Amino acid sequence: GAGVSQSPRYKVAKRGQDVALRCDPISGHVSLFWYQQALGQGPEFLTYFQNEAQLDKSGLPSDRFFAERPEGSVSTLKIQRTQQEDSAVYLCASSQDTNSNQPQHFGDGTRLSIL
Amino acid sequence: SQQGEEDPQALSIQEGENATMNCSYKTSINNLQWYRQNSGRGLVHLILIRSNEREKHSGRLRVTLDTSKKSSSLLITASRAADTASYFCAGMNTGFQKLVFGTGTRLLVSP
Repeated sequence: GAGVSQSPRYKVAKRGQDVALRCDPISGHVSLFWYQQALGQGPEFLTYFQNEAQLDKSGLPSDRFFAERPEGSVSTLKIQRTQQEDSAVYLCASSQDTNSNQPQHFGDGTRLSIL
Repeated sequence: SQQGEEDPQALSIQEGENATMNCSYKTSINNLQWYRQNSGRGLVHLILIRSNEREKHSGRLRVTLDTSKKSSSLLITASRAADTASYFCAGMNTGFQKLVFGTGTRLLVSP
């Protein structure tokens, strides 16, 4: 596709359930990022992949959060034993290569609501 | 936690007026980027200014960067109702690949 695609767009889960969020980056983009955006706030960095290698996971809030990109394209963000504070919009972004002077292209996000 | 602070938090203007948003950041950056977000959508990249640049233009957008004050501003000239959105600055920290976003400015442009 032309842009970054995320699915599902909306996800409602009960506290304690596991969820998986998917990101399809722009084809050929080397770098992939996950961000968490709370209501009324700016996005906060979660993790960064260069191809299949997860080079930075310093923003993951707890060990309940896990991300992977096994073939260097599609990525999945998994949250285990969800808590109410996990409710947020999860944004995925990709950029063409590892040059930091490049824009990041964002998907429309997955809005996660934990009941 | 957020690195950047943006000012004002909200701005309401009439079509045709100019809108100025300011951003301050805390650490050393490679570049400073501005993004726009419409309600319920992802972020759209507007403009990137490198740490060795002081001013940059793109269409109706003008961005300035003052690394000595760790601040940036975004000017939108001749605003349109379609410019209504939230605007975020984001710093690309030196040595890292992640963007650190500010708190955002909500801009409302009335016809």
